[in-house]
This record gives sequence, structure tokens and C-alpha cells, in this order.
Amino acid sequence: RKEVEQDPGPFNVPEGATVAFNCTYSNSASQSFFWYRQDCRKEPKLLMSVYSSGNEDGRFTAQLNRASQYISLLIRDSKLSDSATYLCAVKGNMLTFGGGTRLMVKP
Amino acid sequence: DADVTQTPRNRITKTGKRIMLECSQTKGHDRMYWYRQDPGLGLQLIYYSFDVKDINKGEISDGYSVSRQAQAKFSLSLESAIPNQTALYFCATSEQGSTEAFFGQGTRLTVV
Repeated sequence: RKEVEQDPGPFNVPEGATVAFNCTYSNSASQSFFWYRQDCRKEPKLLMSVYSSGNEDGRFTAQLNRASQYISLLIRDSKLSDSATYLCAVKGNMLTFGGGTRLMVKP
Repeated sequence: DADVTQTPRNRITKTGKRIMLECSQTKGHDRMYWYRQDPGLGLQLIYYSFDVKDINKGEISDGYSVSRQAQAKFSLSLESAIPNQTALYFCATSEQGSTEAFFGQGTRLTVV
């Protein structure tokens, strides 16, 4: 079993929709959690960190559930430009990534 | 100029050849990483280094070796390339205690 798992998708949604991704992790000692965005054939870039109390950045909301060992990312009012692959990452001794969830926002 | 630079950006090589991928950074970070990415598998950690004298194996180090020549340079070698090492390779850096990793633009390697 992979240490960090995500549904690969793709998630096909219309513009303006709300979409949510989950990511589960197996190492209960993990300390930090992140969402990265990766555009096609480009390098991943940090989208947002995930804090225990949950956090919001504009249309993006991230949440952490330590008891169930998952993190989530909610995107409201989806834009065409949100189309990308979203990678969750978990940091213990090293930074471990999930396989990514592909999002396609359509007009 | 990119803060994390990888060379080459694209490379096609033959089975059995030795190849080196290079990474240099101007961010002054002490930690450097090499990942490979295959479709649907996310980023898998090959090796990481927290300091010039510190080298650690990641999830998939077999068939690879690394060298940390200086704080700013971390190279990845494939001693005898094989076709299943065809992938997109990323170098990344981070600062001790920092939460964010910064990636290079990637090297697309094809082994034929």
C-alpha cells in the first residue's frame, strides 16, 4: 500500500462547480501536510499548506482529519484555469507525494 | 533565471549507457531531493540530502546513485540505464524547518 493515496480522477466539472478531493496517508507520525498543483509537463508548485484547524485561501479550502488520516481540498466556483493535477504531500522525515488527482474544468 | 536548474531538460539514451542528471540551486537551501514521476504514480523519492555530507536513500534508490558536490549541486546518476527508468525526473530543494519544497523544471529521460 502506498504511503499517500489519492483518487487519480479525472474529475470533469463545469465552470462554477464545487469539487473536492481527498487524500489518505498511512504514517500517523506525519507532521505537515500540503497540496501542490502541477500543470501538464511542468514542475509541481505549492498551492497551500494544510493546518489542523483547516484553512482557506480564496476559493480553496484545505482540511486535515488526523483521526482518520486524511486531508481534503475543496475548490469553489471552479475556473477553467483550475484545470491541473493536484498532488497531496505529507512530511515526516521526508516529503512523500500522492499520485495526484487530475481536474478538468469545462466551459 | 530559475532558482532550481536541471540539466539536461530532455535526454534520449540507450540501454546500458551511463547518464548523469544535474541540479543546481541559487536559493541557498541545505536540503536537496531527487524524485521521479511516472503517469498516475505521483512523485517517488529516489535520494535526498540534508547536507553536503549527508546522503539518504528514498523509496526507489535501486539503479541510481547521487553525489552532493556542494551545497548548491546535487547530481543523479544512472550507472546502466534501462527502459523502465524512462520517466520525468525532478530535483527539489527546501530549507531546514521550512514547509515548502521548490522544484526544478524537470528532466524528461527516455531510455531506448
